[in-house]
Amino acid sequence: QKEVEQNSGPLSVPEGAIASLNCTYSDRVSQSFFWYRQYSGKSPELIMSIYSNGDKEDGRFTAQLNKASQYVSLLIRDSQPSDSATYLCAVSSSASKIIFGSGTRLSIRP
Amino acid sequence: DAGVTQSPTHLIKTRGQHVTLRCSPISGHKSVSWYQQVLGQGPQFIFQYYEKEERGRGNFPDRFSARQFPNYSSELNVNALLLGDSALYLCASSWGLSNTGELFFGEGSRLTVL
Repeated sequence: QKEVEQNSGPLSVPEGAIASLNCTYSDRVSQSFFWYRQYSGKSPELIMSIYSNGDKEDGRFTAQLNKASQYVSLLIRDSQPSDSATYLCAVSSSASKIIFGSGTRLSIRP
Repeated sequence: DAGVTQSPTHLIKTRGQHVTLRCSPISGHKSVSWYQQVLGQGPQFIFQYYEKEERGRGNFPDRFSARQFPNYSSELNVNALLLGDSALYLCASSWGLSNTGELFFGEGSRLTVL
């Protein structure tokens, strides 16, 4: 079992709709959770971090965490073509490192 | 302010050679982490250094080594290069240990092994 699992996609969403990205993790003691966005040919950039159960909103982005289910999600409201990218879920492990999933490719169609 | 800088940006090596990649963290950041990213995959953790000490190591062979200098810059060394080492090598800095905060990535060093 991979430490962090994501559906590779591609996920195609019409412009203006809600994009929903999901991630599961295996290490029950993980405490910190992150979503990074990576445009093609660029390096990852952090867009959201979440540390406690529930929802965290930042503009059009909402991160959701359920530690009991070992599940993290990212919602993008009012999706824009500029949101087309690969979204990487990252989880802090008990071994002092951040582990990334393989990423979900998101495509926003006009 | 300067972000994380990495050098070289691109390089081509042949099998069996050695490579050194360099990284300068954001000013004030004391932690540097190295990741390998193969096309279509997420970054794979290689090393984390904090205050010049190794604080984490990923599942990579001993051909991979790294160090952090007193000015917090870092080098990643790979010996006896294999074709499978071809990848984008990302350096990320953070103020403290990476598991407690966000990572700031450099643009990466793209290594091609022929």
